[in-house]
Amino acid sequence: EIVLTQSPGTLSLSPGEGATLSCRASQSVSDNYLAWYQQKPGQAPRLLMYGASNRATGIPDRFSGSGSGTDFTLTITRLETEDFAVYYCQQYASSQLTFGGGTKVEIK
Amino acid sequence: QVQLVQSGAEVKKPGSSVKVSCEASGGTINTYTVSWVRQAPGQGLEWMGRIIPILGVTKYAQKFQGRVTITADTSTGAGYMELSSLTFEDTGVYYCARGQGPAIGGLQPLLYWGQGTRVTVSA
Repeated sequence: EIVLTQSPGTLSLSPGEGATLSCRASQSVSDNYLAWYQQKPGQAPRLLMYGASNRATGIPDRFSGSGSGTDFTLTITRLETEDFAVYYCQQYASSQLTFGGGTKVEIK
Repeated sequence: QVQLVQSGAEVKKPGSSVKVSCEASGGTINTYTVSWVRQAPGQGLEWMGRIIPILGVTKYAQKFQGRVTITADTSTGAGYMELSSLTFEDTGVYYCARGQGPAIGGLQPLLYWGQGTRVTVSA
């Protein structure tokens, strides 16, 4: 099983600032089959990025993803109020899908 | 636009089983991978398993192996997740989610999600 470790656990930022979220895998994620999801309280998760760097339909370009192998990053430039949420990475390279523990982006 | 609609909240006793349904509208699940994901109160997301309905092929997370059964009815376009031998630790919200692309294209990220079904295990 591929274990995903996200850091930091919490990011306290102000609207307009940038955010950098990290996701590290215990082994290489083949074909960069790494996705990012956003979840707000009381809502289902929403797909943001797939294939490490591809934005899902309708996702604004202030969200970007990068990385390969075992290290991946989600970057949010110019945080807007609706971006304050919990973010999860997920690998779908192996038959046993796994999620990271999440990073909460909160308003400072 | 594909929508996944799940069955309503459940309250169950320890040792019993729960079966949650997931129906698709505006699209199909039959040729896509459908995963089930659990979220305990205040916790993160936990993948439980998946099915490709048209093939009836399933894969389960090791943690739930032997206790979870994922099925689908291709005639109605509905998916099901049954979890047995419930304990208090099974309390949480259970989501179904459909892959972004057809299963024939390989493993996919989860694009469409149900609204979640809250399962409470209480004596």
